[in-house]
Amino acid sequence: QSVLTQPPSASGTPGQRVTISCSGSSSNIGSYTVNWYQQLPGTAPKLLIYTNNQRPSGVPDRFSGSKSGTSASLAISGLQSEDEADYYCAAWDDSLNGWVFGGGTKLTVL
Amino acid sequence: EVQLVESGGGLVQPGRSLRLSCAASAFTFDDYAMHWVRQAPGKGLEWVSGISWNSGIIGYADSVKGRFTISRDNAKNSLYLQMNSLRPEDTALYYCAKGRGNVCPYPLDYWGQGTLVTVFS
Repeated sequence: QSVLTQPPSASGTPGQRVTISCSGSSSNIGSYTVNWYQQLPGTAPKLLIYTNNQRPSGVPDRFSGSKSGTSASLAISGLQSEDEADYYCAAWDDSLNGWVFGGGTKLTVL
Repeated sequence: EVQLVESGGGLVQPGRSLRLSCAASAFTFDDYAMHWVRQAPGKGLEWVSGISWNSGIIGYADSVKGRFTISRDNAKNSLYLQMNSLRPEDTALYYCAKGRGNVCPYPLDYWGQGTLVTVFS
């Protein structure tokens, strides 16, 4: 059971916009910023969004993040086949004194 | 380009020990916190442990506290994870990850390719 809650799956067709939610509590998302990771099949996770809505260099602006209260979301617009991957949210948790992750959302591009 | 290369994984029996290493390059290692994150086969990500830039602040997940020890050698640009009293549930791909800042709450921004630890009886 993950500390942060994500839907196990999401899907969309090419060109569509999809969102993935991430729900936490006051000790993690409610107090700290949220980060999102993309894990393509057979590869290591890659930082996609940090500090709620910042994109590292090289990440397309089709990816965006937001946070409100104890929840956050990742939006992917103009969906492409190469976006098919697992997506994880993460936040620092001050009651656990460590990083917590969501269980991951498997995105399928139909 | 930041590079993190893990090593030391393998097959081990329950109760035995293993030491993982992570060699870092292309960034100023002693400016940043470092972490170990694991992923059991077919499962999600689990943070294992983190260490601040100067080893002054160290944290562990409850699942490994008292059994695993994280350390770093800034002179060698290396991160380590000593794993004792291994259990079958420790079976996972172990990733080394770099923080964006010098203490643990900064986001993890670069990850290695991982080293596989399999605990079997």
